[in-house]
Amino acid sequence: GENVEQHPSTLSVQEGDSAVIKCTYSDSASNYFPWYKQELGKRPQLIIDIRSNVGEKKDQRIAVTLNKTAKHFSLHITETQPEDSAVYFCAASIRQAGTALIFGKGTTLSVSS
Amino acid sequence: DSGVTQTPKHLITATGQRVTLRCSPRSGDLSVYWYQQSLDQGLQFLIQYYNGEERAKGNILERFSAQQFPDLHSELNLSSLELGDSALYFCASSEGTEGNEKLFFGSGTQLSVL
Repeated sequence: GENVEQHPSTLSVQEGDSAVIKCTYSDSASNYFPWYKQELGKRPQLIIDIRSNVGEKKDQRIAVTLNKTAKHFSLHITETQPEDSAVYFCAASIRQAGTALIFGKGTTLSVSS
Repeated sequence: DSGVTQTPKHLITATGQRVTLRCSPRSGDLSVYWYQQSLDQGLQFLIQYYNGEERAKGNILERFSAQQFPDLHSELNLSSLELGDSALYFCASSEGTEGNEKLFFGSGTQLSVL
């Protein structure tokens, strides 16, 4: 079926380094690609999203890039801080008799100071 | 606070039993989504309702069912429970159903099947 692959599953960086998380999707009709952050014991929350008519979007230290031809998109976090430590999920809108967001399996990011 | 309310927060039950999880969406949101979160499977999409009608179906088992009521709250029914059904069940809501909208998640129901 339609799915979203996410890599890596875990990522450890030093404070101040950059972190990159990559996702690929299978549905060529997907047109919406959000990223959610889930802190320990909390609900997932949207941090940034991108639509298919845009190649890159930035919001302060985070950015997302989209390559529709290759069907992959990435999250970039610069100048990482300990509070960036969390699980990050990518997602893509998938046609399934309607539309729903299908999530990747998540990346656990650990930022050490 | 996302505005999405889920009850109960925790549920402990035995194998073979049936439970009901409840979700009230944000005011004005017509779509409700159910997701299952387990340690190794991330956020698995179960089912979506829009304004009372089933809109999309994911990896939902036949033992599971859901509905959305006229007041837009939704219930997820899990029956003949197995140990493997233990997970965190999230409800999320959005305004419409175009698949390109921000989802607001509730705080989840932690289900433990013993």
